[in-house]
Amino acid sequence: QLQLQESGPGLVKPSETLSLTCTVSGGSIRSGNSYWAWVRQAPGKGLEWIGRIYFGGSTRYNPSLNNRVTISIDTSNNEFSLNLSSATAADTAVYYCARLSMSYQGSGNEINWFDPWGQGTLVTVSS
Amino acid sequence: DVQLTQSPSLLSASVGDRVTITCRASQGISTFLAWYQQKPGKAPKLLIYAASTLRSGVPSRFSGSGSGTEFTLTISSLQPEDFGTYHCQQLNGYPLTFGGGTKVEFK
Repeated sequence: QLQLQESGPGLVKPSETLSLTCTVSGGSIRSGNSYWAWVRQAPGKGLEWIGRIYFGGSTRYNPSLNNRVTISIDTSNNEFSLNLSSATAADTAVYYCARLSMSYQGSGNEINWFDPWGQGTLVTVSS
Repeated sequence: DVQLTQSPSLLSASVGDRVTITCRASQGISTFLAWYQQKPGKAPKLLIYAASTLRSGVPSRFSGSGSGTEFTLTISSLQPEDFGTYHCQQLNGYPLTFGGGTKVEFK
């Protein structure tokens, strides 16, 4: 059974880089039918997609984060990472990693969904 | 960006009730929509993808329908374990976006 686990500092100072790692177990991060993604949820707010990476290294990011995001992948350790630079209090949130699964409909269209998710880790940006 | 509007934002219902949550997209997204359930302090869990495909292991009282700009999640007979917040998500294009959530509470 595939499982994901986030790790990293729970407290980051303003202007510094927020860094998290997601370790994948129970399956290979090289799976051809998976992207690997980060999602966050500020306290009391909704979900916000941050970005995703494929094992080959291709990435897509949310433009709302103003080019502050970098997602990388380490296939030898079956993990992927998030770096969010120039952190501010607005980046305080629970950060989730998740598999973005892909499949194909009969029409040839790619369909996607997030499953499973990691348990989440709270990161607070404060001095 | 595709904006998703969920209604209602808060739903109070009783055990056994039929419950319907709506998700409206700001532009057509075909059937590239997923639904998640989230309990307090926990990660979201997938219920439905491709608008109407039930994830394996999810009770059959959950169902999804819709295409284009209007989607619904229906719980045919609300159970005590169904409390929580429900989120829709569009996966038609980037950036991927979520609705604001619908909190289901018991009367």
